[in-house]
Amino acid sequence: EIVLTHSPGTLSLSPGERATLSCRASQSVGNNYLAWYQQKPGQAPRLLIYDASNRATGIPDRFSGSGSGTDFTLTISRLEPEDFAVYYCQQYATSPLTFGGGTKVEIK
Amino acid sequence: EVQLVESGGGLVQPGVSLRLSCAASGFTFSNHYMAWVRQAPGKGLEWVANINQDGSAKFYVDSVKGRFTISRDNAKNSLFLQMDSLRVEDTAVYYCATGRGWLIQHWGQGSLVTASS
Repeated sequence: EIVLTHSPGTLSLSPGERATLSCRASQSVGNNYLAWYQQKPGQAPRLLIYDASNRATGIPDRFSGSGSGTDFTLTISRLEPEDFAVYYCQQYATSPLTFGGGTKVEIK
Repeated sequence: EVQLVESGGGLVQPGVSLRLSCAASGFTFSNHYMAWVRQAPGKGLEWVANINQDGSAKFYVDSVKGRFTISRDNAKNSLFLQMDSLRVEDTAVYYCATGRGWLIQHWGQGSLVTASS
């Protein structure tokens, strides 16, 4: 099983600042099949990034993904008020599919 | 527009069974893998099960193997999760999901299952 570890667990930032979220895998993620999701309270998750670096349909270009192998990053270039949420990475290369525990981006 | 609508959740006692359903629309259901993902209260996301397009291949997380069964009815654009021998730790919001291959692109709004005495 591929274990995904987020860092940091919580990120306290102000609107307009840059957010850098990390996701580390316990073994290499095949084909870089790594996705990022955003989840707000009481809502279903929303796909932001797939295949490590491709933005999903309708996702603003302030969101970007990078990385390969075992180390992946989600960057939000300038935080908007609606970006404060929990972010999860997930690998879909190998069964069992696994999610990281999440990074909460909160308003400082 | 892809729509996934879950139903069948509720409050049950540990040890009993429950069947979740997911009604799909807005895409060619029979062409897509389907999945169930759950989220315990205040916790993170956990993938539960996947099923391939014709239902011939099914995959489960270890904690539900032998207790949960995923199935689908392509004629009715419906996905199911039969949950037997429910445990307190199965309490969660259960999401129906789909996308490209195993990539989850679309999620339902979820159905709450509570196993408690």
